[in-house]
Amino acid sequence: SQKIEQNSEALNIQEGKTATLTCNYTNYSPAYLQWYRQDPGRGPVFLLLIRENEKEKRKERLKVTFDTTLKQSLFHITASQPADSATYLCALVRDDKIIFGKGTRLHILP
Amino acid sequence: EAGVTQFPSHSVIEKGQTVTLRCDPISGHDNLYWYRRVMGKEIKFLLHFVKESKQDESGMPNNRFLAERTGGTYSTLKVQPAELEDSGVYFCASSQAGGRIQETQYFGPGTRLLVL
Repeated sequence: SQKIEQNSEALNIQEGKTATLTCNYTNYSPAYLQWYRQDPGRGPVFLLLIRENEKEKRKERLKVTFDTTLKQSLFHITASQPADSATYLCALVRDDKIIFGKGTRLHILP
Repeated sequence: EAGVTQFPSHSVIEKGQTVTLRCDPISGHDNLYWYRRVMGKEIKFLLHFVKESKQDESGMPNNRFLAERTGGTYSTLKVQPAELEDSGVYFCASSQAGGRIQETQYFGPGTRLLVL
């Protein structure tokens, strides 16, 4: 069955630097890969979607890459700010099924 | 515009009792999803409504869980009888017409259920 691996340990990044989060999957390539942000006590908030035939997607300070050969997606936040501190989840979608990763906690240090 | 709302925000019940969770999607959203996150695990899909019809209920754990969406508006998820392993955070999400799960879903804040 499909498994998703996201860094279980928190990631600490200095303000202003680029934060890079990793999402690895083990089995079939998804048709779509999504990234969400989740703050404590809140539901996930959709950020970006990238399709299997896309290599890269950008939205403001966010960039997502998708490498189906490596079975990996990278999520970058450039010029990071303390307000970017949150848990970031990746989710894989194929055949109308969605599977979430456990998420990575990101701390941007002022 | 109001987002997805869920009620209650927290529920503490004893094993064997019944609990009903409610979700009000964004007005006009045909698609409504239920998810659950058990402590230490990832968010898992439970089921998907398109209007009042169940499109996919493959994620429902067992027959102690019953979801309804009468009239295609709000939805309820009832757990009867509750077991210890049902504890977790139950999220509801909605999306506009289209029905594909990859379309942007708007999540509610979740209901935190603790079964003692």
